[in-house]
Amino acid sequence: DAKTTQPTSMDCAEGRAANLPCNHSTISGNEYVYWYRQIHSQGPQYIIHGLKNNETNEMASLIITEDRKSSTLILPHATLRDTAVYYCIVRVPSGSARQLTFGSGTQLTVLP
Amino acid sequence: ETGVTQSPTHLIKTRGQQVTLRCSSQSGHNTVSWYQQALGQGPQFIFQYYREEENGRGNFPPRFSGLQFPNYSSELNVNALELDDSALYLCASRPGLDSLYGYTFGSGTRLTVV
Repeated sequence: DAKTTQPTSMDCAEGRAANLPCNHSTISGNEYVYWYRQIHSQGPQYIIHGLKNNETNEMASLIITEDRKSSTLILPHATLRDTAVYYCIVRVPSGSARQLTFGSGTQLTVLP
Repeated sequence: ETGVTQSPTHLIKTRGQQVTLRCSSQSGHNTVSWYQQALGQGPQFIFQYYREEENGRGNFPPRFSGLQFPNYSSELNVNALELDDSALYLCASRPGLDSLYGYTFGSGTRLTVV
């Protein structure tokens, strides 16, 4: 699986959009970008995934650059409950890829 | 639909003892993975089970072993516990090996070895 680089920490004001960047310059053509978050002392929670098109669901939007070397997770209206560590993971979602490889993630703190 | 449930939630064991952690996968999910998360770090892959067979293993010694049952629930066994085994143990399931969708994680078992 390709390696990812994320900022260690970010702050965001409550009600504003939180934009979390991720660099994955060595991503290969069949690797997807996945985002998970982990609220303190809970298990990671799947947020969204994408291959090359922008994606949106009820939780967030995922913007992937045209060259696929980076992406941004957008939480459109951050709340205090969005405070968590956010992990960006790239992987091939097939049987040959056994695991998720978690990096250090980004600690997002939403401020009141 | 129920999610992934793990038991127990907390556990204290003595060095050298053995421990069994349990996981019920989400309904319809036949693939279960286990992860170890030390304090302040991201989860590390231990192994994965698919249809009762071990399907992949991370960099963990043989004293970490597992089982998957016909109903797709799973156990993680750790023998000869060491102090460094103290961690949050996470179970995750998904609908199949080739599923595009993300894993569903349980809330974990917090193991403390003293």
